[in-house]
Formats: sequence, structure tokens, C-alpha cells
Amino acid sequence: SQQGEEDPQALSIQEGENATMNCSYKTSINNLQWYRQNSGRGLVHLILIRSNEREKHSGRLRVTLDTSKKSSSLLITASRAADTASYFCATLFTGTASKLTFGTGTRLQVTL
Amino acid sequence: DAGVIQSPRHEVTEMGQEVTLRCKPISGHNSLFWYRQTMMRGLELLIYFNNNVPIDDSGMPEDRFSAKMPNASFSTLKIQPSEPRDSAVYFCASSFFGDEQFFGPGTRLTVL
Repeated sequence: SQQGEEDPQALSIQEGENATMNCSYKTSINNLQWYRQNSGRGLVHLILIRSNEREKHSGRLRVTLDTSKKSSSLLITASRAADTASYFCATLFTGTASKLTFGTGTRLQVTL
Repeated sequence: DAGVIQSPRHEVTEMGQEVTLRCKPISGHNSLFWYRQTMMRGLELLIYFNNNVPIDDSGMPEDRFSAKMPNASFSTLKIQPSEPRDSAVYFCASSFFGDEQFFGPGTRLTVL
């Protein structure tokens, strides 16, 4: 399967702490994207990193990409209760024009 | 822009009935995706279109499922006949090729 796999499956931290989620994939990609899903809602795009990029920032989010290891990580700094959600990585594999392959997701719980 | 619009938001039907889900993508987007999400199977891509043409329908579970995109601003996903195992949340998403996907709010389908 080309499906990305997130690690860990679930993560529970306290407000103010950092949260790190990892994603691994199997074949070469054009880009890798991270999405968030609040319970009962559609997925919301967070950040896109292209295969020739190694790191990208957006507010409290930092994404890294290591194409040699076929892995990516999402770091949320100074987490807030509102960050509680499921986070998915999605990969655009080389040769697929627009089809994203989503991972199984990491459930993040941020407690006060 | 109103974002991706899906209707209905909730659908409860009896086994054997026909179900039609509707989606209006974001204007200017040329790719449209239908996903299904369940606790057991996670997020699954059913079918996607580029420029109104179906590109990959390998995720369509069986012949009971069909999807159309008659123009750039409308798509339908039809299940006929519906079965209890089709109960899930169905998402429509649109994008400009492999860029970020914008998801609709989803249709929660319950087949009794």
C-alpha cells in the first residue's frame, strides 16, 4: 500500500507543550500535505511542503520533510486546547496528477 | 467564495433505496474528489475527476456506486441500492490539480 502512516496513532499532552506527529510513506512524492479534522467536520488544509523543500513554517506549525527517509514530521508548538483534533498527512505521489493518498491519522488531545 | 458545498448534510434511508449525494466544488478548481470515512476503514478515496473527466474510480466499492460530473460546478455520487454497510460520512473535496484540497462539510449517511 502507498498509504502514509502516522505515528503515533494517539497523543495526549497538556496545554503549552509541543506536539510532534510523524508520517512515513513508501514511494517518491511531488508534495506532502498536512490536514486537521475536528470531530464531525471536513478536513482542513494546514500546510504543503514540496519534495525539494526540507522545512516549512506556518504560525505555530513546523513541518519537515526527509525524502531520503521518506518521512515527514509536524510540530505544533505551544499547543492549545483548540488544537485537539485528528491530523492527517497526505502525499501526492509522482505520476499522479492530483490524487492525494491520506494516512490513518493521529488523534491529538490537548488538555488544560 | 462559499467553499465546497454538499447536500444533504444528513441522510437517513432504508436498505434498498437509492441515495444521491451532491457536491458543488469551488469555482476555478479543476479536480474533484469523493471520499468516504468510517471508524473502521478511515478515509477512503472513492473516485476523482480532472476537468470533469473521471480519472480513477478504483476506490468505488462496487457497481452499486456511481459518480458523475456533468459540468465544472456539479457532481453527484449515487448509491443504488443502498445497504447498511454504506453508512458513513461522505466528503467531497476540490482542488487545483495537486495543490491543497478543500473539503466540504460532508454528508452523514445512515442506511437502516
